[in-house]
Amino acid sequence: KAGVTQTPRYLIKTRGQQVTLSCSPISGHRSVSWYQQTPGQGLQFLFEYFSETQRNKGNFPGRFSGRQFSNSRSEMNVSTLELGDSALYLCASSLAWQGRGYTFGSGTRLTVV
Amino acid sequence: GENVEQHPSTLSVQEGDSAVIKCTYSDSASNYFPWYKQELGKGPQLIIDIRSNVGEKKDQRIAVTLNKTAKHFSLHITETQPEDSAVYFCAAMKDTGNQFYFGTGTSLTVIP
Repeated sequence: KAGVTQTPRYLIKTRGQQVTLSCSPISGHRSVSWYQQTPGQGLQFLFEYFSETQRNKGNFPGRFSGRQFSNSRSEMNVSTLELGDSALYLCASSLAWQGRGYTFGSGTRLTVV
Repeated sequence: GENVEQHPSTLSVQEGDSAVIKCTYSDSASNYFPWYKQELGKGPQLIIDIRSNVGEKKDQRIAVTLNKTAKHFSLHITETQPEDSAVYFCAAMKDTGNQFYFGTGTSLTVIP
């Protein structure tokens, strides 16, 4: 059974650019959540999607956005990148809306220079 | 919102000894508490979880205890092995919520 797949694994971008990260959940999982992980702030919730609808959003600026497709795959987008956006972005999927049994992907390491 | 505190931030133990990591939470409505292990270059992996209607849960060398009154829960690893070396995160979630609030992590090193 394939796990949660995140692409790309590594990304280097310049300040001011935008970036799109992709997450393919475990087959059958309809809930996808995104987290930002940094040494200083730890794991912080970005947003969660269930059946193509954003159900919850964390405390991040509007530059961070996401969407979910009908096949449950999800993308997150960060516009006007700042140095502080450098982080590991983790995607997690689960069967149920309320996140029981989260399974995380290996993440996308974003570096903004 | 919820605030989860985790201690210690680093922990070194000799192989075969026990390791204990503690977390406290602030929101009494939280009722689901998972523990994740994160190895270098990988995403967090669920190792054990506990719900608020249970005081203790054990899975081989790993156990979690929960004190709802005091709002704290702990991870216990017995007979530690070098492969237990990793960063461990606790988390809390409410039934009505769909996001985890994570602790700041504990870097565990098991010395052979």
